[in-house]
Amino acid sequence: NAGVTQTPKFRVLKTGQSMTLLCAQDMNHEYMYWYRQDPGMGLRLIHYSVGEGTTAKGEVPDGYNVSRLKKQNFLLGLESAAPSQTSVYFCASSYSSGFLYGYTFGSGTRLTVV
Amino acid sequence: ILNVEQSPQSLHVQEGDSTNFTCSFPSSNFYALHWYRWETAKSPEALFVMTLNGDEKKKGRISATLNTKEGYSYLYIKGSQPEDSATYLCASPQTGANNLFFGTGTRLTVIP
Repeated sequence: NAGVTQTPKFRVLKTGQSMTLLCAQDMNHEYMYWYRQDPGMGLRLIHYSVGEGTTAKGEVPDGYNVSRLKKQNFLLGLESAAPSQTSVYFCASSYSSGFLYGYTFGSGTRLTVV
Repeated sequence: ILNVEQSPQSLHVQEGDSTNFTCSFPSSNFYALHWYRWETAKSPEALFVMTLNGDEKKKGRISATLNTKEGYSYLYIKGSQPEDSATYLCASPQTGANNLFFGTGTRLTVIP
């Protein structure tokens, strides 16, 4: 089925470890986004991309890096994980800027940093 | 950062009841308003994208209205069913931004 696939689905990291979350979409969407979701808070944008080779900071970018080397993939990296990065991470994509088209979300990655 | 607010935070209704909840957003420089349905352990799914003042959208028993002049949208569910239990998110873009800003959601529980 077409959509947005996130890997891994779950991960436990120790403080200071690094990891990369992968988001892949097969809908030929230009725009891709990484959000984090924390209890009592709305989805907050970490980074986004408006096309292959582009990235931009969102609302809460500190401690994260991203890359969009291929149009279908958007990677989120944590160089040195901290307990404050314990969260559920959602990737989303949209056909254009998303204002006239809804986002398609992945199933999420639950990350725990101990 | 755009201030998108939703109320109530949570809601419990009996099966068969109709219900509604609110999304508030800044009325100046409005562009679009999105509604998403988010079931537990799943990912958010787009319900409606609304752009015009007075717009009304409908999908089965769920409908939404939009008032851009006063900055609010209502989501209505007619004859709630247990499968309607979910968190309903609204979101709107900020002028000049390339992304949506999400509210914290209304968590609906339909009691059989």
